[in-house]
Amino acid sequence: AQRVTQPEKLLSVFKGAPVELKCNYSYSGSPELFWYVQYSRQRLQLLLRHISRESIKGFTADLNKGETSFHLKKPFAQEEDSAMYYCALSPPGETGANNLFFGTGTRLTVIP
Amino acid sequence: DVKVTQSSRYLVKRTGEKVFLECVQDMDHENMFWYRQDPGLGLRLIYFSYDVKMKEKGDIPEGYSVSREKKERFSLILESASTNQTSMYLCASSFGQTNEKLFFGSGTQLSVL
Repeated sequence: AQRVTQPEKLLSVFKGAPVELKCNYSYSGSPELFWYVQYSRQRLQLLLRHISRESIKGFTADLNKGETSFHLKKPFAQEEDSAMYYCALSPPGETGANNLFFGTGTRLTVIP
Repeated sequence: DVKVTQSSRYLVKRTGEKVFLECVQDMDHENMFWYRQDPGLGLRLIYFSYDVKMKEKGDIPEGYSVSREKKERFSLILESASTNQTSMYLCASSFGQTNEKLFFGSGTQLSVL
């Protein structure tokens, strides 16, 4: 079974401090992994996906297959980063996109 | 820009009422989804559809049904609303048969009294 674990429900950091939102997954193959973000009063939106190897809004996430982790990192947190962050996993090669599994989310608060 | 529109931002219903949540997308996406979002539980998939008149159960379909008569519209139906269905409901759509990017609506906060 696929499972995504975000161990921290709440995370607070000071502005300018580094931030890391943890995500661990359990899957025997090579899944696709995503980070979604929901800002206050906005819709849930894709932040980044591991296959793109991109940096969005200063965030990066590296897939560590050995540790089965996909932690989201930013070197210097900004107040506008305060939001709810969801890690999600999708097993590859299956049709229908019915298999996007979400973690329980981490609420990040950046303290001015 | 893809737009996924959910007809209501807030709904208040009484126990036992039949409730319709409507979702419309304007980008000719094949796949549409209904999730509910609850604190501490994250997002859970209720139903999804990958074509007109097609539907598949997600992780928590009990107490819900769906309708997809047209490609752009995906309705979530609560036949007899119960208090444990009080939640934020999110509709999403995506293109194609692979794991493409999901586009989400802004959500409907349903309160069942």
